[in-house]
Amino acid sequence: KAGVTQTPRYLIKTRGQQVTLSCSPISGHRSVSWYQQTPGQGLQFLFEYFSETQRNKGNFPGRFSGRQFSNSRSEMNVSTLELGDSALYLCASSGGQGATDTQYFGPGTRLTVL
Amino acid sequence: AQKITQTQPGMFVQEKEAVTLDCTYDTSDQSYGLFWYKQPSSGEMIFLIYQGSYDEQNATEGRYSLNFQKARKSANLVISASQLGDSAMYFCAMREGMDSSYKLIFGSGTRLLVRP
Repeated sequence: KAGVTQTPRYLIKTRGQQVTLSCSPISGHRSVSWYQQTPGQGLQFLFEYFSETQRNKGNFPGRFSGRQFSNSRSEMNVSTLELGDSALYLCASSGGQGATDTQYFGPGTRLTVL
Repeated sequence: AQKITQTQPGMFVQEKEAVTLDCTYDTSDQSYGLFWYKQPSSGEMIFLIYQGSYDEQNATEGRYSLNFQKARKSANLVISASQLGDSAMYFCAMREGMDSSYKLIFGSGTRLLVRP
């Protein structure tokens, strides 16, 4: 089974621009979560989607948004980029149900904001 | 609020020896899940092992075992027979919302270096 894929792997943007990151989950997985990883804040939960619905959201400003499509692929968008948005963005997928459900992560998208 | 604490920012271990990475957690939930992930320099988070709060046996996966002490709220990862490829960041994580949405809370991580 193919793992979680994320595109692009690297991205350089300037302040004020917007960016869209894409995530394709493991086949059959219906839950997709996004995390931001920075040296200062560590790994922080952004949001989780299950069957095209946002089930949970972390403590991030409204500039961060996401969506999930009927094939479970997900995108996250960051508008009006700030220098502090430079981070590794990790996507994870899981079956979405059950106490023993495990999240599997993609390779991440490394975003640099100049 | 739920919290994960990893008190060892960095550790060294000699190749072929065992090493224990510490993790303590704080939660008021009765039902929760604990995970360990490995993150090599490439950035991808690799799932290692899972322990449920109701599991009576400590989890094991190959060279990885989880020393789960519920009363002390600790979930330490034990790596036996360390290999050079084990050099990486290791994160302990707890799942919040066992019955509905899926959200992991991560510790700050431990950087493990395996010496030849």
